[in-house]
Amino acid sequence: TQLLEQSPQFLSIQEGENLTVYCNSSSVFSSLQWYRQEPGEGPVLLVTVVTGGEVKKLKRLTFQFGDARKDSSLHITAAQPGDTGLYLCAGTSGNTPLVFGKGTRLSVIA
Amino acid sequence: GAGVSQSPSNKVTEKGKDVELRCDPISGHTALYWYRQSLGQGLEFLIYFQGNSAPDKSGLPSDRFSAERTGGSVSTLTIQRTQQEDSAVYLCASSGRPRASYGYTFGSGTRLTVV
Repeated sequence: TQLLEQSPQFLSIQEGENLTVYCNSSSVFSSLQWYRQEPGEGPVLLVTVVTGGEVKKLKRLTFQFGDARKDSSLHITAAQPGDTGLYLCAGTSGNTPLVFGKGTRLSVIA
Repeated sequence: GAGVSQSPSNKVTEKGKDVELRCDPISGHTALYWYRQSLGQGLEFLIYFQGNSAPDKSGLPSDRFSAERTGGSVSTLTIQRTQQEDSAVYLCASSGRPRASYGYTFGSGTRLTVV
């Protein structure tokens, strides 16, 4: 069974601070994705990474896939209140449905 | 439609009753997934439909749960004889490609409360 562990589980920071959240597994994934979910809504896809060592940037968000394709990180620079939400990582081995972590709940205080 | 539509958005039911949850995926999307999200838990995979292939039912927690997809479009998830532990948000997602590697588009979910 593939498992994804996310840390920290909760994070509360001031506006303007930087932060990093992590997604780790003992399994190798062909693709790893990050989603953000707001209250009362479904998760929204932020990024997909497929190559070991890959780095993708989405404005102030930087995503990295580990060299061994077992882990990933999400770094947010100068966090804003609009970044508040539940960040979920999800992975697949290709033909299998996505396996999700339990998420990191981020609160950015103005 | 423009997005994945789920109905109802909220459902309160009495223990032991049957419920049906509906998902209308993005037009043309051949892959459809059902997940369950309980408080403090991640998304739990339930079932996966891909085109005309037999569905992957490996995530259904018990035989009280079933799902169908008619005409390759709308899907219905049915929970029979509901129990309190069935209380959760049920999320539907669709994808235009068969492989999960390309990501999903989720609906807003149905919040089910069993009392």
